[in-house]
Amino acid sequence: SQQGEEDPQALSIQEGENATMNCSYKTSINNLQWYRQNSGRGLVHLILIRSNEREKHSGRLRVTLDTSKKSSSLLITASRAADTASYFCATAVLGDTGRRALTFGSGTRLQVQP
Amino acid sequence: DTEVTQTPKHLVMGMTNKKSLKCEQHMGHRAMYWYKQKAKKPPELMFVYSYEKLSINESVPSRFSPECPNSSLLNLHLHALQPEDSALYLCASSQGGQSGNTIYFGEGSWLTVV
Repeated sequence: SQQGEEDPQALSIQEGENATMNCSYKTSINNLQWYRQNSGRGLVHLILIRSNEREKHSGRLRVTLDTSKKSSSLLITASRAADTASYFCATAVLGDTGRRALTFGSGTRLQVQP
Repeated sequence: DTEVTQTPKHLVMGMTNKKSLKCEQHMGHRAMYWYKQKAKKPPELMFVYSYEKLSINESVPSRFSPECPNSSLLNLHLHALQPEDSALYLCASSQGGQSGNTIYFGEGSWLTVV
């Protein structure tokens, strides 16, 4: 089952612009992670934000978390053509087995035009 | 570059064939995963092995059979698959169990069932 929804589903911007992606989730979390996937490749971990953190930075990435709204956002500043990829948020969700496993949101496909 | 290695990168198999996907990691991780990803969709969890024991099976059909020979290796045995099983199969690993740890993905195995 899918934990979260992301919007927009697709985003096209020019190089140098900022890109903002949003993620909403349904259940309580310990942390939320963002991953990136180039077309047809594996996923790469970008950043993890804990439930007691509100904002985190890593290079050109800025992640915010609002646990009261069950939402997170990923901001990529000064985007580059190489940032073109799909971006997924992920949270550990309690499954039918009674165990938590990392479950991914629906993803945002980002296209950065040179 | 990922430290999770998957082979083969591409596999075409008939519905009566038996084949296997292989995954290897040497990061000392004790949890390993299989995810399935269809085009333009997020990865969906199939199986989790924790300390070489199957800990999560997300109601995957028995035509998919996982095997964890040791803490570094994870196989997915395929038999009597259907065309709708064609997808990107991603192996991943993490340090401990599953509850929100960062997951490291391989590049995936593209499976086409004809």
